[in-house]
Parts: sequence; structure tokens; C-alpha cells
Amino acid sequence: DTEVTQTPKHLVMGMTNKKSLKCEQHMGHRAMYWYKQKAKKPPELMFVYSYEKLSINESVPSRFSPECPNSSLLNLHLHALQPEDSALYLCASSQDEVGGLQETQYFGPGTRLLVL
Amino acid sequence: AQKVTQAQTEISVVEKEDVTLDCVYETRDTTYYLFWYKQPPSGELVFLIRRNSFDEQNEISGRYSWNFQKSTSSFNFTITASQVVDSAVYFCALSEADRDTGRRALTFGSGTRLQVQP
Repeated sequence: DTEVTQTPKHLVMGMTNKKSLKCEQHMGHRAMYWYKQKAKKPPELMFVYSYEKLSINESVPSRFSPECPNSSLLNLHLHALQPEDSALYLCASSQDEVGGLQETQYFGPGTRLLVL
Repeated sequence: AQKVTQAQTEISVVEKEDVTLDCVYETRDTTYYLFWYKQPPSGELVFLIRRNSFDEQNEISGRYSWNFQKSTSSFNFTITASQVVDSAVYFCALSEADRDTGRRALTFGSGTRLQVQP
């Protein structure tokens, strides 16, 4: 089973709202990722968690706050977003980030976010 | 400099035609991995194949085949007898360690949108 689930599928929020995106995997993977994908562009890495610790933050604005409550769950807390943050947010997991280049990342279906 | 180049922005074919999606990569590492992902309109990136730099054997999986040539730094993807369900954006990606930081990263190409017409 290579399933990564994400909720919600769609989200519309105002610039003053606080919301959270959720990601879950039950493959025993120890690395989890958040990507942002704008229309007609490839995914861009935002954050990487390895063994529940934040290992990479690609200089993402603080209005995006990741959290990894346990090895199966990954959240992305959103606060005071801007309209340009509207995008598809993809979560991915792999067996082990540290384990090497070969680790295949499996992606969830994404959350389509619209910021008004 | 772009590390993964997918020069074909959009390709349109008629069902049952064969189609090849090109991918050219650039790396100074001797150990690296190449991937293809499919992204249908639903948005999920679906893993198709992973190939390491030491294995140049071509691979076939049903109607899909991949041609890896280190001499030309290419990892092309062919769909034989295309079907409407193959319509999607296809991304080629390179996994390598950054020379300065040692960090491993997955770098995506810009993607090729494939439209298969009935």
C-alpha cells in the first residue's frame, strides 16, 4: 500500500483566517515532505521532516508552520496567508530521507488552497 | 542552470499512437537517481519508475518503457499505443546530493503535458 492521504481536498480561506492542512501515511515511512505547486509549474519543496524532526526548511515564510505530531502525521498550519499563496499543496513520504538518494517519494492527492 | 530539462511543454496525440517524452538532466555526481511521475488532472503525483545511475538497462512495464542513456544524459519515456487515460502532466526528476551542503534533493523538470485525443 503506497497511500498518502491529505485533508481537506479543497480549502478557501481569507487572509486573516487560521487553518491547517493534514497529511497521513501508514507505510512506516520516516521522512515526510510538504511541497507547493503553482499552476503549470513543478512542485517546489517547502519542508522535510525526518524521524519527526524538521530537517529542511526551504526559507518558507513563517505564515506557514509545519508540525509532525508523530511518524504518521504531518500538519501544515496556515495563518495570515496572501492571495499569492494560493496553490496545490502536496504531501509526500519516503522510507527514509537520510537513507539516501534512492528513496522514492510517494505523494498524496494534494489540497487545493485558495486565499481570498 | 536547469538540472532537469523537459523541452516538450505540451504534446497532443491521437489514441493508439506511440509517444516519447524527453528528459535531459545535468549532474556532476556519479551516484544519482532518476524518476518519472505522472500527474493527472486530479493532482496526485503518481510514481512511475526509479532508475539509478549505475543501471542503464532499459525497462518496460506494460505499455510504458524507459530509455536511460548516460552518454547523452537522457532518460526518455515512451508510451506505446496511447490511451485517453494517459492524458496527464509527466514530470522527470533527479535525486542527487548537493556538492556544497551534502543535502539530498529531488529536482523536478518543468513537466510535459500529454493530451491523448480519442
